[in-house]
Amino acid sequence: DTEVTQTPKHLVMGMTNKKSLKCEQHMGHRAMYWYKQKAKKPPELMFVYSYEKLSINESVPSRFSPECPNSSLLNLHLHALQPEDSALYLCASSQLLAGSNYEQYFGPGTRLTVT
Amino acid sequence: KNEVEQSPQNLTAQEGEFITINCSYSVGISALHWLQQHPGGGIVSLFMLSSGKKKHGRLIATINIQEKHSSLHITASHPRDSAVYICAARLQGGSEKLVFGKGTKLTVNP
Repeated sequence: DTEVTQTPKHLVMGMTNKKSLKCEQHMGHRAMYWYKQKAKKPPELMFVYSYEKLSINESVPSRFSPECPNSSLLNLHLHALQPEDSALYLCASSQLLAGSNYEQYFGPGTRLTVT
Repeated sequence: KNEVEQSPQNLTAQEGEFITINCSYSVGISALHWLQQHPGGGIVSLFMLSSGKKKHGRLIATINIQEKHSSLHITASHPRDSAVYICAARLQGGSEKLVFGKGTKLTVNP
């Protein structure tokens, strides 16, 4: 199984809503990533979890709250978002071994629209 | 100046043509990734390089560490190759972070 799955595929939410994005992989990868991608732009890294611990937070606003309940799951909790947060949210995972390089496997993304 | 620069930004080709997309970087890297993104979303990892050359089907990726330059070649291009191609550099030092180029939008016409 070399797949990263993301749910939901599409999400429309109001600025006062609370919602969560989910990501799952069963490849035994110990690094998991959240990216945000605006139209016609490359992905922007938001968070990295290494061995279920948050290792990188790219100064993301607190209205985005990541969670890694176990080595296969990654969540992104959303609260009080702004319309400019509308984007494609991509999850990725990779192996993790000091001194080595590994490919990142990307999920299909969740297209989020904030109204 | 972006640490990872790609060229061209847009590329249109006729089916069957040989395609080259270039990527230059200004920082020390441990690996260079080539990614493909079709309209509507998902990103697929095509190659990860730290030296030399890799080939997969009609795709070839090369990297010159001294010149800090990588190329992605597509031989016998096909309309299904139409996508955005992104190079991304993993910085030296053990970070899991990738620095992305702005992407090259390739359109292959039949």
